Amino acid sequence: DVKVTQSSRYLVKRTGEKVFLECVQDMDHENMFWYRQDPGLGLRLIYFSYDVKMKEKGDIPEGYSVSREKKERFSLILESASTNQTSMYLCASSSYSTGLNTEAFFGQGTRLTVV
Amino acid sequence: GDSVTQMEGPVTLSEEAFLTINCTYTATGYPSLFWYVQYPGEGLQLLLKATKADDKGSNKGFEATYRKETTSFHLEKGSVQVSDSAVYFCALSGDSSYKLIFGSGTRLLVRP
Repeated sequence: DVKVTQSSRYLVKRTGEKVFLECVQDMDHENMFWYRQDPGLGLRLIYFSYDVKMKEKGDIPEGYSVSREKKERFSLILESASTNQTSMYLCASSSYSTGLNTEAFFGQGTRLTVV
Repeated sequence: GDSVTQMEGPVTLSEEAFLTINCTYTATGYPSLFWYVQYPGEGLQLLLKATKADDKGSNKGFEATYRKETTSFHLEKGSVQVSDSAVYFCALSGDSSYKLIFGSGTRLLVRP
């Protein structure tokens, strides 16, 4: 069974803290993604990575950074957490086939609350 | 840029009713189209997909047909169950892009 695992289901952090969200996939996928999900806004892409040490900004990268040192692991970093980063964070991975995009597989999500 | 528009929710139906959730898209080239489902407290799961015009994706009684002429990918089910209550997301992946672009999601509530 394919798996994308996020390190925490729920997190509560204080304003100004540095926060790490970890994601691991066991499918040897090239692509990994971080989305945030907010009511009425759907899923918005924060960052994605198409290879180890490679990353590209998504639609809402401000206030976030990422790290991909190993193929299976993709970390999202909130450098200084703020209350407007309270949200559900979803990690996903997919393989890349030339000319045909495959579906993404999602983790269970991390609900982050910044107080 | 590429985008997906889906109908506003929530959609409330009685058990065994017919379901349609509308989805239209804007994209260049020939994107792949997807429907994902999110059950309460969980991440997203792929429900079905279609990769070229006139393809029909189907799974668990749900169906959607890739209509290039109307740029649509509407989700249908003939008889919904209480267990179908969830949020449904339409998404596309461009033919030269790594990433998925999602609609805003439609919440479905099925009453017994």
